[in-house]
Amino acid sequence: SQQGEEDPQALSIQEGENATMNCSYKTSINNLQWYRQNSGRGLVHLILIRSNEREKHSGRLRVTLDTSKKSSSLLITASRAADTASYFCATVNTGNQFYFGTGTSLTVIP
Amino acid sequence: DGGITQSPKYLFRKEGQNVTLSCEQNLNHDAMYWYRQDPGQGLRLIYYSQIVNDFQKGDIAEGYSVSREKKESFPLTVTSAQKNPTAFYLCASSFRGPNTGELFFGEGSRLTVL
Repeated sequence: SQQGEEDPQALSIQEGENATMNCSYKTSINNLQWYRQNSGRGLVHLILIRSNEREKHSGRLRVTLDTSKKSSSLLITASRAADTASYFCATVNTGNQFYFGTGTSLTVIP
Repeated sequence: DGGITQSPKYLFRKEGQNVTLSCEQNLNHDAMYWYRQDPGQGLRLIYYSQIVNDFQKGDIAEGYSVSREKKESFPLTVTSAQKNPTAFYLCASSFRGPNTGELFFGEGSRLTVL
């Protein structure tokens, strides 16, 4: 399977703290993306990082990519209760195929 | 509004019945995808289509069928051959081509087999 893995599986933090989740994958990629899913809903795209990039920022999100280790991390700074959701990484190969990880369930306690 | 629409949101099926899930997009995307999500699991690819009248099997295509007669539509049929069809089904679309951008998802269809 080309499915990636997120770590940790579940994370619980206090509002205002930072949340970090990691993604490991197995194959060569064109880009890596992070998505958010609220319970029972579809996924929403958060940020994309290309294979030749090492770091990218978007608002309170910071993504890093280490292609030598085949890993990525997503940092959410100054978390809010509304950030409570599941977060998935997705790797995209040159054939435009998307492979999703198993997800990290984030709970932000007000 | 541009987007991707799945229907029905909830569906109940008796064993042995085929059911078809609808997916329509008005984003002018070439590529469309069907994923299955089980509780606490990631998304697994069932079928994808890069262009009209063409589609490829994903990792778990057995027991499913699709068609892509129009650019806007990519219906998924869950056949009686699918052994464990109870799941949350997600449809998505994207622009085709290398270095592609993001996937746009529908709100999902939850299928329960009684």
